[in-house]
Amino acid sequence: DTEVTQTPKHLVMGMTNKKSLKCEQHMGHRAMYWYKQKAKKPPELMFVYSYEKLSINESVPSRFSPECPNSSLLNLHLHALQPEDSALYLCASSQHPTGFQEQYFGPGTRLTVT
Amino acid sequence: GQQLNQSPQSMFIQEGEDVSMNCTSSSIFNTWLWYKQDPGEGPVLLIALYKAGELTSNGRLTAQFGITRKDSFLNISASIPSDVGIYFCAGLYNAGNMLTFGGGTRIMVKP
Repeated sequence: DTEVTQTPKHLVMGMTNKKSLKCEQHMGHRAMYWYKQKAKKPPELMFVYSYEKLSINESVPSRFSPECPNSSLLNLHLHALQPEDSALYLCASSQHPTGFQEQYFGPGTRLTVT
Repeated sequence: GQQLNQSPQSMFIQEGEDVSMNCTSSSIFNTWLWYKQDPGEGPVLLIALYKAGELTSNGRLTAQFGITRKDSFLNISASIPSDVGIYFCAGLYNAGNMLTFGGGTRIMVKP
């Protein structure tokens, strides 16, 4: 099973709202990732978690706050977003944080900021 | 950020045709991955390549890891309507497991 799940599927939020995106995998993977994808563009890496610790932050604004409560779960907390933050947010996981291994993506959360 | 050069950017197919696309880079990669993404969905891994010169098939899909380690090719044989979507190549160039993506090839059906 190579399934990564994400909730919600769609989210509409105002610029003053606080919301969270959730990601879950039960493959025993120890690396998890958040990506942002704009229409007709490839995914852009935001954060990497290795063994539940934040290892890479690709200069993401502080209005995006990741959290990894345990090895299966990854959250992305959203606060005071801008309309240009509207995008498809993808979660991915891989078996280990190092080594040249494939990443498996979830179905994404379509976020609209109004 | 850095992108791989993926071509063609888009193409129209007729059912039954073979399709080819490729990715090139000025840098060496150690792993090449090919993904397909349907509208509103996440990328789905199609094929993973780990060795220079490797040729791997997955049903009607065949991908090759270029011998120079700077390119990769994906072929789809006897295309069917459900092959429509965006195909992304991605390379892994260091042990930190960070992907570099191509710009994508959008496959559409001829009207």
